[in-house]
This record gives sequence, C-alpha cells and structure tokens, in this order.
Amino acid sequence: GESVGLHLPTLSVQEGDNSIINCAYSNSASDYFIWYKQESGKGPQFIIDIRSNMDKRQGQRVTVLLNKTVKHLSLQIAATQPGDSAVYFCAENRGSTLGRLYFGRGTQLTVWP
Amino acid sequence: EAGVTQFPSHSVIEKGQTVTLRCDPISGHDNLYWYRRVMGKEIKFLLHFVKESKQDESGMPNNRFLAERTGGTYSTLKVQPAELEDSGVYFCASSLHMGRYTFGSGTRLTVV
Repeated sequence: GESVGLHLPTLSVQEGDNSIINCAYSNSASDYFIWYKQESGKGPQFIIDIRSNMDKRQGQRVTVLLNKTVKHLSLQIAATQPGDSAVYFCAENRGSTLGRLYFGRGTQLTVWP
Repeated sequence: EAGVTQFPSHSVIEKGQTVTLRCDPISGHDNLYWYRRVMGKEIKFLLHFVKESKQDESGMPNNRFLAERTGGTYSTLKVQPAELEDSGVYFCASSLHMGRYTFGSGTRLTVV
C-alpha cells in the first residue's frame, strides 16, 4: 500500500504487506528529516532519521528514502503488522532554524489482519 | 531513564478561564520544546528553550500564551484567557543536543 501524505491522509494495508508512506517538503534548506509514529494517546515516537547528505537509510523493518531533486521523503515498512497501526508524521529541520521541526499533516496507517 | 512527563493529560476548561500545562523534560536535557496539534492538522512548533532561555518563540500564536522554564528544569505553558481555537493536544519534547527529540504523551486541552 502507498500514500501520498498530504493528499491522502489514510492508508489501509493487510498484515504482512509492505507499506509506503510519502511526504513532500518544499524548503531546499531542509537538511535533516525524521519520521515519527504516534499511537493513540501517546506522543510522537522516533522511528528513523536521515540527513540530506544521504538518500537511503535502513532500520529494523523500516527504510527511509530521500529524493532531494523532487523534495520527496518516503517511509517504507516491511511486513506490516497490526502494531504498526498509527499516525505517521514526517518532520524536517531547516538548517537555519536551530532545533525547530516542521511537521507534515500525518498519515493514518491501518493494518488489517 | 525516565521520559518526558506532561500533566495534566487532559484538561477541559471554559472559554475565558486560565490553564497551565506542565512539562518535565528528561533530566539533563537542555533543549525543551513546546508543540501543538489542532484536530486533524499538522503538529506546529510553539517555542524552544535552551536551559532557562527562550531560544525561539516565533511559533507562539499570541500574547495569551506564556511559557516559562524556571531554573532550566521543568517548563509551564499558560493560556490566559483561553479561547475555543486553543483546543488541541500540546506536546512537550526535550533533547540533549538539537536533533533527536523525546516527546511527552501530551496534554489534550478542550476549551468549551
């Protein structure tokens, strides 16, 4: 399953499938990107990050891809599980704004058994 | 290590009243941030403390919002007087260095 972030804020996938959540950013000065997962009643939880000098980074079952040419970020979740159901946010840091993060609207991922 | 603690977890107040939210960051984290998420919208930055100093408060919506961080430890965010549009979830986050934050669970504020 795949989402386009701001234009499709929900994504439903079947357990075991791969999920792709997309995010577009507009500021070419953005140099650090983070994906967060937010479960109901909890705060955003760090998943994976990537700096602008990289185009791919892998974690456990997750991969982040960065395409600076088209200002696009994606989060791939392999073998999606029901516990992955949550809202996923991309966030960017624009080098000139110190620690401040700019968040996307979020994508609701629902995993069906 | 204890996480970022926020309280109350929920607050329901009437328009015109005052509410104070509190955040206890991870011990030793100099950077403390406040963010807010209004229903269905993105999480928006409010302000950033480095120790007790306001590093960036450009996200504070208006002068009804006052944030403090006495002694560089816990922080409070006061809304006075509260308006309906202030409803949302207020998140606090802390970090040792600028970059990877740890968020609290948030305070859900409802103004009626």
